[in-house]
Amino acid sequence: DIVLTQAPLSVSVTPGESASISCRSSKSLLSSKGITSLYWYLQRPGKSPQLLIYQMSNLASGVPDRFSSSGSETDFTLKISKVETEDVGVYYCGHRLEYPLTFGSGTKLEIK
Amino acid sequence: EVQLVETGGGLVQPGRSLKLSCVASGFTFNNYWMSWTRQAPGKGLEWVASITNSGGSTYYPDSVKGRFTISRDNAQNTLYLQMNSLRSEDTATYYCTRIPFFDYWGQGVMVTVSS
Repeated sequence: DIVLTQAPLSVSVTPGESASISCRSSKSLLSSKGITSLYWYLQRPGKSPQLLIYQMSNLASGVPDRFSSSGSETDFTLKISKVETEDVGVYYCGHRLEYPLTFGSGTKLEIK
Repeated sequence: EVQLVETGGGLVQPGRSLKLSCVASGFTFNNYWMSWTRQAPGKGLEWVASITNSGGSTYYPDSVKGRFTISRDNAQNTLYLQMNSLRSEDTATYYCTRIPFFDYWGQGVMVTVSS
């Protein structure tokens, strides 16, 4: 099974500053079709998860461009620029390369 | 507007069965693969099952294989999860999700397995 390791466990950010979250995969997430199968989700407190980023670097519909993602085949970074209070929650990375589908353990973002 | 509405959760004793339903609207249901994903209280996300758009193929992690069955009724725009031989570790909120991107999630339904 592909293991996704997120760091840090939690991050505390002042509004207006930036935050970065890392996700490391135990296996390359580059598919034979040349697509990197890495996704980012945000789960706000008491809410269902929502898709932020698909295929490593593509912003999902309605997601502000303060969110961006980049990486290689195994190391990925979600960056949130100019953090706002609405960005509070738990961020998960996930892959869709093969079964079983797995998620990282989550990174909690808090506001200072 | 895409909507996924789960029902069927509740309290069930270990070893018993429960069936969840998810009614989809706002998109062409039979064009999409669908999944169930769960989240134990205070824990992270765990993929539980996936089904192709036709229902012809299904996929499960080892943790539920042989106990859970995902199915769908495209005429009724409904996704199901039949859960048998339930264990305490199956206690979680279960989400109906559209794949491949997991771009839409239902509100979730709570399943508690306890005597």
